[in-house]
Amino acid sequence: EIVLTQSPGTLSLSPGERVTLSCRASQGVSSSYLAWYQQKPGQAPRLLIYGASSRATGIPDRFSGSGSGTDFTLTISRLEPEDFAVYYCQQYDTSPPWTFGQGTKVEVK
Amino acid sequence: EVQLLESGGGLVQPGGSLRLSCAASGFTFSSFSMTWVRQSPGEGLEWVSGITTAGATTYYAESVKGRFTISRDNSKNTLYLQLNSLRAEDTAVYYCARPRGSGWRYYFDYWGQGTLVTVSS
Repeated sequence: EIVLTQSPGTLSLSPGERVTLSCRASQGVSSSYLAWYQQKPGQAPRLLIYGASSRATGIPDRFSGSGSGTDFTLTISRLEPEDFAVYYCQQYDTSPPWTFGQGTKVEVK
Repeated sequence: EVQLLESGGGLVQPGGSLRLSCAASGFTFSSFSMTWVRQSPGEGLEWVSGITTAGATTYYAESVKGRFTISRDNSKNTLYLQLNSLRAEDTAVYYCARPRGSGWRYYFDYWGQGTLVTVSS
């Protein structure tokens, strides 16, 4: 089972700032089978990125994903008020179980 | 518009059972594998179970294998999860999620709003 470790656990930022979130895998994730989700309190997760760098339908271009192998990054170029949330990465390189990182919370400074 | 609507959650005693349902609409349900993902209070996400389009193949997380059973009724556009021998650690919001990808390499593009299962005496 591939273990995903996200860092940092919490980020305290202001609107307008640039955000970089990290997701590290315990072994290589081939063909960049990695996704990112955003979750706000009381809501279901929302798909942001799949294939490490492809934006899902309707996702603003301030969100971007990059990386390969064991190191992946989600970048928000300029934080909007609605972007304060918890972000999860998920690998889907292997047959089940698919695994998620423990999440990074982006909170208002 | 794709919609997934879960129901069936509630309070149950340890050792008890529940059946969760997920009503799907806005897409051809029978053409998609389907999955369940859960989230314990204040915790992260855990994939629980998956089923292929016709129900021939199922997968389970080790933590629920032998206790939970996933099934589907394509004539009703509904996904089910039978939860038996429930434990306190099964307390979570259970989400129905539509997988995308191929060859069992799946991410999840649509999620329901979730249904809360609380296991407590």
